[in-house]
Order: sequence, then structure tokens, then C-alpha cells
Amino acid sequence: GEDVEQSLFLSVREGDSSVINCTYTDSSSTYLYWYKQEPGAGLQLLTYIFSNMDMKQDQRLTVLLNKKDKHLSLRIADTQTGDSAIYFCAEKADSWGKLQFGAGTQVVVTP
Amino acid sequence: DAGVIQSPRHEVTEMGQEVTLRCKPISGHDYLFWYRQTMMRGLELLIYFNNNVPIDDSGMPEDRFSAKMPNASFSTLKIQPSEPRDSAVYFCASSLQGGGHNEQFFGPGTRLTVL
Repeated sequence: GEDVEQSLFLSVREGDSSVINCTYTDSSSTYLYWYKQEPGAGLQLLTYIFSNMDMKQDQRLTVLLNKKDKHLSLRIADTQTGDSAIYFCAEKADSWGKLQFGAGTQVVVTP
Repeated sequence: DAGVIQSPRHEVTEMGQEVTLRCKPISGHDYLFWYRQTMMRGLELLIYFNNNVPIDDSGMPEDRFSAKMPNASFSTLKIQPSEPRDSAVYFCASSLQGGGHNEQFFGPGTRLTVL
């Protein structure tokens, strides 16, 4: 079955760039996602990328997709304290809309 | 739109009691998902519905768990009897369509504590 893996923790200084990495196993996944979860809240979609793209940029966010290695990354430029959260990588797991989530990466931004 | 609404936000109960969690999806959304989040197991998909019909319930941990969606605007997740290991945050999410890109919108979650 599908399995999405992420590192569990990332510490970054305010103003630096953050890079969160993810690997997935289902090469047929059509869409890959990054969700953000702030404390005490549900997940919220940050960005997504279609599988025929290598890169997607959205303001401070850059998503890179390496289909050959099944590797997805999220780069946050100029990281702010408000970026402290858990970030989940997810792949579309079936044609109905089911998503397979990773365990989440806790990002802590220090002043 | 109010977003996905879940109730209660917090629930504390004793082992053996019945627990019912409620969800109101975003109006017009065809899909509804129930997730459970714990430190140990992360985010787990329990069950999801399309047009009120359960599509995949393979994530439901055991027969003590049941979910229903009697109409397009309401779903329940019931645990009977509850056990301490059921303590978790339960999220409901809804989305507009299954094919193509479909953003899942999450509710704020119900934090369940079973003593």
C-alpha cells in the first residue's frame, strides 16, 4: 500500500528558509499536497502540485517534485514565527478523493 | 460559509460510555471524511462517504466504531463502548469532488478523552 514519509521535526531561525522533505511510494499519484496544522486547529491546504509539474511557486512557498525519486519538498522563504506549525505531505490515494497523509513535520521557528 | 462544523469541541467520558461525534460539512460538498489524530499513530483516515454512501471504511478500528451520514448536511461517528485508547482528536473534513484536484476542508476537531 501507499506510504508517505516525512522527517518529524525541523528547527529554523526567523528569516531563514525552511525546507521540508517528503517521500511517497505510489508512482501513480496524480496530485500531491502540503497541508498546515496550527495548534488546536484542523489541517488547512497550503498548496498542491500536479504530477506532471516539477515545480510550483506561490509567494513564499516553493514546491519541488522529483517523480523519479518520488520526492516532494516544500520550501518556505523568509520563515516567520507564524509559520510554526505541523506540515503534512499527502498524496491522492484513489480516484474518489482519498488522501494518504504523512506523519507531519513539526516546524519550530526561533527568533 | 461557516466551514466544516464539528461538535462537541471537547468531550470527556468514562470508559464504557457511548460517545457520539457530529459533523456538518460545507454545503454542496459531495465527500465527507472522518480522521483520527494521535501522537502515536498520526493522522488516520477512518471512513469516508460520497453522496452519503460509505465508500471506504477500512480504517475503522473495530466494531465499536460506527459512522452514519443520514443526509448531505450531517454525519455522526459513534463509539460504543468507549475505551481509554480511543482518546484522540477526531477531525471531519469535506470536499467538493473526487476527480482531479480536490481540497479537503477540515473542521476544528473534537478532542475526546476517555477516562
